[in-house]
Amino acid sequence: DAKTTQPPSMDCAEGRAANLPCNHSTISGNEYVYWYRQIHSQGPQYIIHGLKNNETNEMASLIITEDRKSSTLILPHATLRDTAVYYCIVRLTGTASKLTFGTGTRLQVTL
Amino acid sequence: DAGVIQSPRHEVTEMGQEVTLRCKPISGHNSLFWYRQTMMRGLELLIYFNNNVPIDDSGMPEDRFSAKMPNASFSTLKIQPSEPRDSAVYFCASSPFRQEDEQFFGPGTRLTVL
Repeated sequence: DAKTTQPPSMDCAEGRAANLPCNHSTISGNEYVYWYRQIHSQGPQYIIHGLKNNETNEMASLIITEDRKSSTLILPHATLRDTAVYYCIVRLTGTASKLTFGTGTRLQVTL
Repeated sequence: DAGVIQSPRHEVTEMGQEVTLRCKPISGHNSLFWYRQTMMRGLELLIYFNNNVPIDDSGMPEDRFSAKMPNASFSTLKIQPSEPRDSAVYFCASSPFRQEDEQFFGPGTRLTVL
């Protein structure tokens, strides 16, 4: 699986959009980009995933660059409950569902 | 839906004792995963099962660790004998059949080995 690079931490004011970047320059054509988050003392929670098109669900939007070497997770209106560690994961298709977690980005949402 | 159920939620034991962690996946899910999380190493995949069969146990640290899935609704992770360095939060996750589907994580078991 391709390696990902994320900033270790970010801050965001409540109500503003949180934009979390991820670099995955060695991604291959059959690898998806996944985002999970982990709120303190809880198990990781799936947010969204995509292959090459931008994706949106009730939690977030995922913007993948045309060359697929980077992506951005957007939380449109961050709340205090969005404070968590966010993991960007690249995963092969055609295999069983193995996820490799990196160190992630610690997002702190403040008043 | 109750989600993935893990027991116990907390376990404190002494070095050398056997520890058994339990997991009930979401009904209908075909894949089950055991992860371990520590401050030093982050979240690591230990082993995963598809249709009750172990597929990849390369993350199991050593022979002291073993995992079983006797049926589709139950799995155990056993450590025998336990050591202080095994102290961690152990998560179980399950996933439905499609390969790109999301994994649903349980609340974890916090293990402390004294």
